[in-house]
Amino acid sequence: KAGVTQTPRYLIKTRGQQVTLSCSPISGHRSVSWYQQTPGQGLQFLFEYFSETQRNKGNFPGRFSGRQFSNSRSEMNVSTLELGDSALYLCASSLVPPVGGGYTFGSGTRLTVV
Amino acid sequence: GIQVEQSPPDLILQEGANSTLRCNFSDSVNNLQWFHQNPWGQLINLFYIPSGTKQNGRLSATTVATERYSLLYISSSQTTDSGVYFCAVDGSNYKLTFGKGTLLTVNP
Repeated sequence: KAGVTQTPRYLIKTRGQQVTLSCSPISGHRSVSWYQQTPGQGLQFLFEYFSETQRNKGNFPGRFSGRQFSNSRSEMNVSTLELGDSALYLCASSLVPPVGGGYTFGSGTRLTVV
Repeated sequence: GIQVEQSPPDLILQEGANSTLRCNFSDSVNNLQWFHQNPWGQLINLFYIPSGTKQNGRLSATTVATERYSLLYISSSQTTDSGVYFCAVDGSNYKLTFGKGTLLTVNP
């Protein structure tokens, strides 16, 4: 079966712009969560969605937002980009609860802010 | 929140050697996973192991939930095993908390 699909794979944006990243979960997985990975901070949780509702949010500024659609696909948006937003953004999907296989990650979107 | 500590932070091996990676966590968890991050950044799920022992080829893992630790064993290491290994736990609030990882280098 198809895995978690993230698009685009790479992005270069300018400070002050905004960006939208997309994540399509594994078929049947209704929970989607997002993580940011940077060399300095490691892997940090951004937010999690289930049935179009955000159930948990990490410690990130309001410039980071997300949503989930009725087909479980999710998008995250970062507005007013800063240089520090340059990172690998990873999306994960899981069953609810995440028994059996746990969380499965996509290949990520590598965002560079210049 | 839950704290996750991995050791060692770095490990250098010769091909064919065995190794043990450790993950300590600070509270009870519903889920524990071991991941290998490939050179392109993708997190490859090695084990979903909230408790007990599992084996998959040369890799095996054990989680002792009552003592809040997990071990990942790699036997007969190969150069393709190189990379960063992460332990991550879910404490029932719909998120994974990751350790800082172990950077494994296997030399030929």
